[in-house]
Amino acid sequence: QLQMVESGGGVVQPGRSLRLSCAASGFTFSRYAMHWVRQAPGKGLEWVAIISYDGSTTFYTDSVKGRFTISRDTSKSTLYLHMNSLRTEDTALYYCARDEGYYESTGYVDSWGQGTLVIVSS
Amino acid sequence: EIVLTQTPATLSLSPGARATLSCRASQSVTSYLAWYQQKPGQAPRLLIYDASHRATGIPARFSGNGSGTDFTLTISSLEPEDFAVYYCQQRNNWPLTFGGGTKVDIK
Repeated sequence: QLQMVESGGGVVQPGRSLRLSCAASGFTFSRYAMHWVRQAPGKGLEWVAIISYDGSTTFYTDSVKGRFTISRDTSKSTLYLHMNSLRTEDTALYYCARDEGYYESTGYVDSWGQGTLVIVSS
Repeated sequence: EIVLTQTPATLSLSPGARATLSCRASQSVTSYLAWYQQKPGQAPRLLIYDASHRATGIPARFSGNGSGTDFTLTISSLEPEDFAVYYCQQRNNWPLTFGGGTKVDIK
């Protein structure tokens, strides 16, 4: 069945870098846009980034532009989030999520992983 | 960016009651609005997309309405499993944005 498993979270000092991974299975990864969505402890959802099905197009929320990079490796059915210059306010559970649209993104999320926790603290 | 404001922050109701949740956008999102449900310790689940279309497998007691800047999610008769937090999300403009959420708890 459809599954997305995130990894790579942990405790990191402010200003450092981290790379999150999301291994997808149970669907044709190369035909769907993918998102990262985060949730700070006890807070609401915040959309982070999207990458098109073919990796040619990306969009980011303003607070991570220039610091985070979303990418994908179709041969490994894996989504990545490279996070640089981390700040304390980046502390959150990071969800990997599949766009609802087939090939063309709809901007809605129809499937989610269980998340990986990133804690930015000195 | 488009700001989505959800009201009320908390809705205390009894099982069987009707729940009406509101989401207001800072500018028009036409009909490009979704609703998600999140239970404690779980990932969110898509309920409604394009303001009024139920996602696959979502019970008919969930309905969405609205266009432009004002939207509602209605749960016609609350079941025990419906007590959760609900978020709206727009996809009319980048960046995508979520509302702050409405918690539906048991009265």
